[in-house]
Amino acid sequence: AQTVTQSQPEMSVQEAETVTLSCTYDTSESNYYLFWYKQPPSRQMILVIRQEAYKQQNATENRFSVNFQKAAKSFSLKISDSQLGDTAMYFCAFMNPSGTYKYIFGTGTRLKVLA
Amino acid sequence: DTEVTQTPKHLVMGMTNKKSLKCEQHMGHRAMYWYKQKAKKPPELMFVYSYEKLSINESVPSRFSPECPNSSLLNLHLHALQPEDSALYLCASSQVGGAADAFFGQGTRLTVV
Repeated sequence: AQTVTQSQPEMSVQEAETVTLSCTYDTSESNYYLFWYKQPPSRQMILVIRQEAYKQQNATENRFSVNFQKAAKSFSLKISDSQLGDTAMYFCAFMNPSGTYKYIFGTGTRLKVLA
Repeated sequence: DTEVTQTPKHLVMGMTNKKSLKCEQHMGHRAMYWYKQKAKKPPELMFVYSYEKLSINESVPSRFSPECPNSSLLNLHLHALQPEDSALYLCASSQVGGAADAFFGQGTRLTVV
């Protein structure tokens, strides 16, 4: 069975600084997707970034980038130039596309951006 | 249109009531999901529909009854709920195949009294 672990329950960062959120996962599958979702107080889960396991290149979306280490089963999220609007709960998620499309979420990291 | 719309946003119901949660998407997604989320916890999968057929039921109690009447709509019928069922109920949809990014609605905050 797949598992996703986020070992940082809470983090804070100064506005305009850079922060990295950690995620590790365990799977025996070779084909899968990894995601970071953001859930602000408005409670809607918003997709931040996606990484395909078959791609060696790390995904980037504007200020958000990942460090995907497949052998180490590590998938960290770097937020550059942090903004107050980045304050949210961040969930790492794993999905195996071969069959059930079941997303498995980590326990989340609460990020607070300080002015 | 990349929206998943859930109604109602808030719902208070008694333990003997029957109510329904509704979810709608017009992105052409053929997979739809119900998740339950308790405060400060990750979403927990309840049901997955693929091509309007139930493909996953995560051993959810029968007082929760999902329904997918067409490819755009997903309902969750509630009956005889318990106070511990109070939570945020999230609907999501995705393509079937490929990256399958899941798009979530804003959720229904359910309180059972």
